Parts: sequence; structure tokens; C-alpha cells
Amino acid sequence: GQQLNQSPQSMFIQEGEDVSMNCTSSSIFNTWLWYKQDPGEGPVLLIALYKAGELTSNGRLTAQFGITRKDSFLNISASIPSDVGIYFCAGQRTGANNLFFGTGTRLTVIP
Amino acid sequence: KAGVTQTPRYLIKTRGQQVTLSCSPISGHRSVSWYQQTPGQGLQFLFEYFSETQRNKGNFPGRFSGRQFSNSRSEMNVSTLELGDSALYLCASSVGTATDTQYFGPGTRLTVL
Repeated sequence: GQQLNQSPQSMFIQEGEDVSMNCTSSSIFNTWLWYKQDPGEGPVLLIALYKAGELTSNGRLTAQFGITRKDSFLNISASIPSDVGIYFCAGQRTGANNLFFGTGTRLTVIP
Repeated sequence: KAGVTQTPRYLIKTRGQQVTLSCSPISGHRSVSWYQQTPGQGLQFLFEYFSETQRNKGNFPGRFSGRQFSNSRSEMNVSTLELGDSALYLCASSVGTATDTQYFGPGTRLTVL
């Protein structure tokens, strides 16, 4: 199945630093989603984006829906140890409930 | 409100056997989607059920099947298990309208020996 290209694959950062990751696709999506997955758990929704160009924040997280509808990025500001986990982007098309997931970014925060 | 629950959480089977996994959606949610997560292929969509009908299907062989009951609970079945079927199987529930948010359960870790 189609997977979205997500980068970077992994990141090691110091506590307090900002983080940026992005996701690109060869095809258009009408909704972009960002999930975080902790070991042994299912993905938890962080941010949902529904409109091209939309910039949405959720606490220290900010995500944008690219103008071309083929990309999205997620920023995390002032990282803390509990930000550790794997972050996935996901794209969704109107009228279809199936999500296409990115390859994931594994984030490690060094205290 | 209780979240999505999946049972069992862990399962070990041998090649050739079949397995049934269960998912109970969030109360009021009518759509249940199933995903397979492996290190090599990532998260891939299996199928979606809405009001007891399969509404959408991914690109998996016919050995993977599912069903949904009138209370929206869903089961997925994998027959003639192969080593490559070892994965985390996740279900997600949503209200069922277009582009509504999907909420994931903790998953069932299936190991095929």
C-alpha cells in the first residue's frame, strides 16, 4: 500500500530544543493528521488539519497543511522527555475512512 | 467515555492456524477500521466496517477477513497464518462520517511461529 515519505527517520535532541518533521506525498489528501505512538500502544491523535494552508496548534505542537495538499509538517517547541515516541503523519481523502500513514519519525529527547 | 478496546492484547500462533481478533469501538461510533503495523511495511489499512457492512478494503489477501456486529463491535480473522502475518493489529473507531477523526485502540500483538 501507499506510504507517505516522512523525514527525518529519527532524531536525537536535547531537552528544551525545538523539533521539526515533515511528510510528503505524491498524491493529494484532503485531511492531514499527526499521531504519536508510544511503545506497546496504539497511535494517539495530536493534530488534525482539514484545509490547505491551515496552521493549527495544540499546546507546544504546531502543524501545517501544505498549500499543494501533498505535504504537511509538525513542529514541537521546547521538547520535554515525555515527547519521546514515534510520530506518524497520515493522509485521508474525502469520503474514504482509510488512512495512509507515513514511515514515522522516532524522537529521542536527552534530559 | 471508554476508549477503543482490543482483545486479546497478545497472541502466539503457529503457521497454518487461524486467529480471530476483537475490537470494541468507542460508544456511539459506527465505523471500525483495521490496520496492520509491521517494521518493514509500517501501518497499512486492512478494511473498514460501517453499519455491519464492509465499506472499504485495502490491498491484503483474502485470508484476511472481518465482520461487524449490530453493536458495532468488530472482529477480524486471519486464516492459514504465515510467518509474515506477525504484526501489531490495530483497530480504530470513528463516528463514520467522511473525514471524521479515527481513535486507535492499543492493538493486538500477533506472533506467528
